[in-house]
Amino acid sequence: QQQVKQSPQSLIVQKGGISIINCAYENTAFDYFPWYQQFPGKGPALLIAIRPDVSEKKEGRFTISFNKSAKQFSLHIMDSQPGDSATYFCAASIPLADKLIFGTGTRLQVFP
Amino acid sequence: NAGVTQTPKFRVLKTGQSMTLLCAQDMNHEYMYWYRQDPGMGLRLIHYSVGEGTTAKGEVPDGYNVSRLKKQNFLLGLESAAPSQTSVYFCASRRSDRGREKLFFGSGTQLSVL
Repeated sequence: QQQVKQSPQSLIVQKGGISIINCAYENTAFDYFPWYQQFPGKGPALLIAIRPDVSEKKEGRFTISFNKSAKQFSLHIMDSQPGDSATYFCAASIPLADKLIFGTGTRLQVFP
Repeated sequence: NAGVTQTPKFRVLKTGQSMTLLCAQDMNHEYMYWYRQDPGMGLRLIHYSVGEGTTAKGEVPDGYNVSRLKKQNFLLGLESAAPSQTSVYFCASRRSDRGREKLFFGSGTQLSVL
């Protein structure tokens, strides 16, 4: 119930393509779904986040799509660039939670 | 503004040795966390603290101890290191107990146990 399942584990995309990373959850009490981006040798950093009262949130080339009925959410990276090459983690939390529940991560490689 | 600082950045231990990882944050955050990151396993929570003088177990606490004697510092100890503890360790902090608060991570400690 507390898990967040993330797929794929790795993803290779050509420059200019769309990268899509998916996450699924079971706990309907989750009310906050962030994505963290981690570059090699660095700690993760918050990229974008969504609440379940909206179905989509866009920030530049990054979009979260949220499907409450299916209990799934995904990160779309439009016009993917080599500089987007990183590991991406989805996460979820319940209100007033002590901690985030992280997915297992997706390593994205964007080739020129 | 340094954010979250971890020391050391790299360390090699022999099996059975002990060591302490230090995490310091200068943002006056209440909550602090220790994670380990292993290939294919994502970020797994070891221990965390919701305030000075408090600690709690996460998903994988065995073999580790922590202390939060000062609000700005969170120490992770390995009393008798094992090869299974070879990993990258990340410290993180956040301001409050609101679930939507942003986590700030340090740059990690690469630990190898031979």
